[in-house]
Amino acid sequence: QKEVEQNSGPLSVPEGAIASLNCTYSDRGSQSFFWYRQYSGKSPELIMSIYSNGDKEDGRFTAQLNKASQYVSLLIRDSQPSDSATYLCAVNKRGTGANNLFFGTGTRLTVIP
Amino acid sequence: EAGVTQFPSHSVIEKGQTVTLRCDPISGHDNLYWYRRVMGKEIKFLLHFVKESKQDESGMPNNRFLAERTGGTYSTLKVQPAELEDSGVYFCASSQEGTGWTDTQYFGPGTRLTVL
Repeated sequence: QKEVEQNSGPLSVPEGAIASLNCTYSDRGSQSFFWYRQYSGKSPELIMSIYSNGDKEDGRFTAQLNKASQYVSLLIRDSQPSDSATYLCAVNKRGTGANNLFFGTGTRLTVIP
Repeated sequence: EAGVTQFPSHSVIEKGQTVTLRCDPISGHDNLYWYRRVMGKEIKFLLHFVKESKQDESGMPNNRFLAERTGGTYSTLKVQPAELEDSGVYFCASSQEGTGWTDTQYFGPGTRLTVL
């Protein structure tokens, strides 16, 4: 079983719609959760972090965490063509003594003008 | 403030050759991480430095990989001898003194390594 699972997509949404990206993780000891955006050939760029159950909003982005279900999601409202990228879900199991991130394979999002 | 930088951006070598990748973390960041993404797979952890010390190298695939961080500043990752399966994108990330669980890792653009 993979540590972090994402639907690889591709996910296509029309401009202005809500894009919903989902991620599940296997270890209940996971403490920190991150969404990175990666444009082709570029570095992963952190867009959201979330540490406690519930929703966290930042501009057009909302991260949702449900530790009981081991599920984290990212909603992008009013999607723009510039949001077209691969979105990586990453989890940190800091409590185990390890600081490293476990990544999903990423979901490729295309926003159609 | 400059981000994480990596050099070279691309490297093409033949099987059996040696390659050295370099990472310059964000100034003042004590934590430095190496990750690798092979084709079609997820980004995977290789190792973690705290200053010049190796904190965790559990992700290093084998003894052909050697990472150093002399002086606690930049880091190098040497692959010797390179094999075909070493091809992939090698990412470096850095973070501040990460005692808290909200520590954020910032990634460099990666080095794309191709072994022929």
